[in-house]
Amino acid sequence: KQEVTQIPAALSVPEGENLVLNCSFTDSAIYNLQWFRQDPGKGLTSLLLIQSSQREQTSGRLNASLDKSSGRSTLYIAASQPGDSATYLCAVSSGNTPLVFGKGTRLSVIA
Amino acid sequence: SQTIHQWPATLVQPVGSPLSLECTVEGTSNPNLYWYRQAAGRGLQLLFYSVGIGQISSEVPQNLSASRPQDRQFILSSKKLLLSDSGFYLCAWSVQGSPFEKLFFGSGTQLSVL
Repeated sequence: KQEVTQIPAALSVPEGENLVLNCSFTDSAIYNLQWFRQDPGKGLTSLLLIQSSQREQTSGRLNASLDKSSGRSTLYIAASQPGDSATYLCAVSSGNTPLVFGKGTRLSVIA
Repeated sequence: SQTIHQWPATLVQPVGSPLSLECTVEGTSNPNLYWYRQAAGRGLQLLFYSVGIGQISSEVPQNLSASRPQDRQFILSSKKLLLSDSGFYLCAWSVQGSPFEKLFFGSGTQLSVL
């Protein structure tokens, strides 16, 4: 059974700092991996989707990497801003099975 | 463009009362539809998903049921709510064909059962 773990559970950084959020999964036979952002009391917004054949995806200040063999993904946020404060969730898909989500990392960027 | 509507945003219900949450998608046809629940400290749990009208898959045994009466409408129901049904309920959709490709979420319903 696939399990997804995100470390740390919470992170507080000063504005402008580069940071890395970690995601690990137990079954490397994945179809894709997705990173989502969730603001308090809101739904999830898809940030990046990495197919199993890819090693990374970039969108603006965000870069997500995937290492299937080691069961790890990282989300790199460059030059963090207070507006980046949110919970970031990682989810993996094994194809025709439901996405399995991690519990998320709650990020606070302090001005 | 595609949009997803979910309502109500907040709901407070007594134990034993019925529940009906509705979700509709616009701007796409034959989407895959999903109901998730997010409970404090427990992460996001898939409750139901549907790949077509009348086709519902249940992921966990529970006090809830789902129905898809129309192509772009997904309803989450309960006949009698339990305290443990409290949580944040999210509807989502994805493009038909690859069930677990990119998901698009609604804004959620915060359900408190008292």
